[in-house]
This record gives sequence, structure tokens and C-alpha cells, in this order.
Amino acid sequence: EVQLVESGGDLVQPGGSLKLSCEASGFIFSSFWMAWVRQAPGRGLECVALISSDGSDKYYVDSMKGRFTISRDNAKNSLYLQMNSLKAEDTAVYYCARDLRWGMFDFWGQGTPVTVSS
Amino acid sequence: DIVMTQTPLSLSVTPGQPASISCKSSQSLLYSDGRTYLHWYLQKPGQSPQLLIYEVSSRFSGVPDRFSGSGSGTDFTLKISRVEAEDVGIYYCMQGLAVRTFGQGTKVEIK
Repeated sequence: EVQLVESGGDLVQPGGSLKLSCEASGFIFSSFWMAWVRQAPGRGLECVALISSDGSDKYYVDSMKGRFTISRDNAKNSLYLQMNSLKAEDTAVYYCARDLRWGMFDFWGQGTPVTVSS
Repeated sequence: DIVMTQTPLSLSVTPGQPASISCKSSQSLLYSDGRTYLHWYLQKPGQSPQLLIYEVSSRFSGVPDRFSGSGSGTDFTLKISRVEAEDVGIYYCMQGLAVRTFGQGTKVEIK
């Protein structure tokens, strides 16, 4: 059974940093692209970052370039999102998702909440 | 980034009646391989999103056949032939060509 379990969400002050993790199981993690998608309170879905199966290609939405870094450790079946210089507008639930191909997010985690507030 | 625009943003439907959601992209989603990377997702209340339709018109595993997708280029439509109570939630279109972008979402509720 495919499972994606996010962790690391927390309350953090503006300007602070946070690292999210997503532990994958039930499939060959190293064969799939992965993504982080976020949802601000009462808002829609936003794909934050995308990473290729071997980690060599990374893509970010323009507003997050330079602040967020996506990475993965295929030996640990884990996906990460390092978030720096956090702003109040980064407050959201962050989901990791498996990208079967070309945006087909066929499995999602349950999400981890991030709150940026003083 | 490719901009996705959905209409309407909300829909109230009588059970058993059809529903339709439109999605337009700011550029063609037809790729050089001949495939069009437009997908539809449903986020039910309190749940993570789930894939409904991929590549315009293919239903994902387990999705009932009352859901159908159509369109080409920059204009796409999701149709529910007969809405059921379990179909409530927010529907999103998403393009898979570049950094993935979603439409604003269409909230479907039952009358």
C-alpha cells in the first residue's frame, strides 16, 4: 500500500526557517518524481516545488524561488522541503504528492500544517 | 507560469442533475508527444485531494463513469452526468506541462 507521511510542520516566527519531511512507503520511491503542494487556509491548491526521480531536476513556482529548496534522499525514501525567510503568507497545510507522470498526482499525504506568526 | 482559470467558482446542484465545470489555460497544454497534460482533482471536505481525470479525459482508477472530461488546447470541461451527495467538494483543474499550476477551484454543493 502506497503511503506518504508528512512531518515537520510547526508554528514559526516570520523570517524563520523550517524543514518538512515526507516519508514514502509501498512503492519504489526512486522511480518517481515528487512534489510539494500547499493550501493556505480557505484557499486553493498551489504546487510549491517539484523534483525529478533522481533529484537532478528541481522546479519551483516563481514566488518561492530562492526561499524554498526541495530535496530527496532515495536511500531513506524521503522527500524534504527546506523553507527559509518564512512569511505570514506561507501559512498553509503542506502536502507531498507522488507525480506519476506530467502532473498526475496519484497519491497524496495527509498534510502537515505550517503557521508563520509572531 | 501557466495560468489556469475555472468557471464557475461555485455550483449548487440537485442530486441526479448534471454539472459542468470549465477550465481555460493561458497557453496550449498540448505537448510535442501528442498528449495534453490537463488533469482534474477533487478535494472532499477534510480530505487530501484525489485524482479524478488525467490527460483531459481518462478516468483514474476507481472513479465512477458519471465523471467525464473533454477539451483540447486551452479549453477543457469536467462533467458529472448525475451528481450524487458524495460528489461534494472542490474541483480543481491542473496543468502538468511546466511547474504544475491549479485553477482556483470550483466548490460543488448539493441543493
